[in-house]
Amino acid sequence: SAVISQKPSRDICQRGTSLTIQCQVDSQVTMMFWYRQQPGQSLTLIATANQGSEATYESGFVIDKFPISRPNLTFSTLTVSNMSPEDSSIYLCSVGEGTEAFFGQGTRLTVV
Amino acid sequence: KQEVTQIPAALSVPEGENLVLNCSFTDSAIYNLQWFRQDPGKGLTSLLLIQSSQREQTSGRLNASLDKSSGRSTLYIAASQPGDSATYLCAVRTLEETSGSRLTFGEGTQLTVNP
Repeated sequence: SAVISQKPSRDICQRGTSLTIQCQVDSQVTMMFWYRQQPGQSLTLIATANQGSEATYESGFVIDKFPISRPNLTFSTLTVSNMSPEDSSIYLCSVGEGTEAFFGQGTRLTVV
Repeated sequence: KQEVTQIPAALSVPEGENLVLNCSFTDSAIYNLQWFRQDPGKGLTSLLLIQSSQREQTSGRLNASLDKSSGRSTLYIAASQPGDSATYLCAVRTLEETSGSRLTFGEGTQLTVNP
């Protein structure tokens, strides 16, 4: 199984600012996935991050709002830009392609 | 488009009861199905993974079954304990031409086990 470390675990941010979430995996993986979980909802995939190429975004999510970096096979970041209260959610990174999926501890973001 | 439904949305039981959580999905052409546990405000912990060719998986007091043809899975929890209180999520993986595979989540069952 993969061990995923996600930072920060929670944050309270002012509207209009940006927050970068880090995700570190204990093994090399081809793809990393970023999800959003809005209050009381299930998980929605934001984007898939491959090392060495641009992330692939799902419908409704754009790179300007959620830029992603994938500098190597064990690390990725997701930035939530120009935040508004509607961005208050839990953000989760995940690994596991075609096999068992593993998740980080999540980042609980509150925008005030 | 795959849709995953979990029933009930919430469940409250006394300690010691055996219980069943249900998951249904609309497209039976799945690659695997996974059950997760989520504590409030936290990430997901994988409980059981069932491959499409399997009928069930067991881990301790947990047993998950899969009936792919009818689009159903159940998670059976034996002798429930207060520490089992959490939200249980079902996720189905389907293969896709462009993206490789996709994980679709249900909305979860919020379980409370009362001492």
